Amino acid sequence: EVILMESGGGLVQPGGSLRLSCTASGFTFSNYWMHWIRHAPGKGLVWVSRISSDGASTTYADSVKGRFTISRDNAQNTLYLQMTSLRAEDTAVYYCVRDWGYSYASNYFDPWGQGTWVTVSS
Amino acid sequence: ETVLTQSPATLSVSPGERVTLSCRASQSVRTSLAWYQQKPGQAPKLLMYDVSTRATGVPARFSGSGSGTEFTLTISSLQSEDFAVYYCQRYNNWPPWTFGQGTKVESK
Repeated sequence: EVILMESGGGLVQPGGSLRLSCTASGFTFSNYWMHWIRHAPGKGLVWVSRISSDGASTTYADSVKGRFTISRDNAQNTLYLQMTSLRAEDTAVYYCVRDWGYSYASNYFDPWGQGTWVTVSS
Repeated sequence: ETVLTQSPATLSVSPGERVTLSCRASQSVRTSLAWYQQKPGQAPKLLMYDVSTRATGVPARFSGSGSGTEFTLTISSLQSEDFAVYYCQRYNNWPPWTFGQGTKVESK
């Protein structure tokens, strides 16, 4: 069974930093592109970032570019999202998501982790 | 950025009814469209990709159609477990890969 387990969310003040982690199991992590997607209260799903299977290629939404960094450790089957200069509008549940494609980026998403909440507030 | 508009926002239906959800793109996404189902307290789940290909384990009562800018997700006979929010998502060309705002299918 494929499992994606996020951790690291919490309450942080505006301007603060947080690092999310996602531990993967049940599949060969190093063969898949991975994404972070967020869902703010009362709003729609928003794609945040993507990383290639080998970690060499990363892509970001404009809203987080320069503030967020996606990375991965294939030896530890773990995906990360380092978030800095956090703003109130970053408040959301953050999902770790596997790309559907095997060894390529299909850019649709399956499966999803259960998500971790990030609240940016003073 | 391609905007996806879903309609209606909410659909009140009874089990057994046929349900049709709409997703309209502000510019052509060709056939690069997926659908997801999200039940309360759960993460979204991939239902359909390439407009009409069902993901593994998705029942045959779910079907997708369309191309270009107009897309439809149909549930032929709604079951109680189908009450959820449904999102469309486009994945053509470059990021950001965008989602519609969702259609909530609720019990009448």
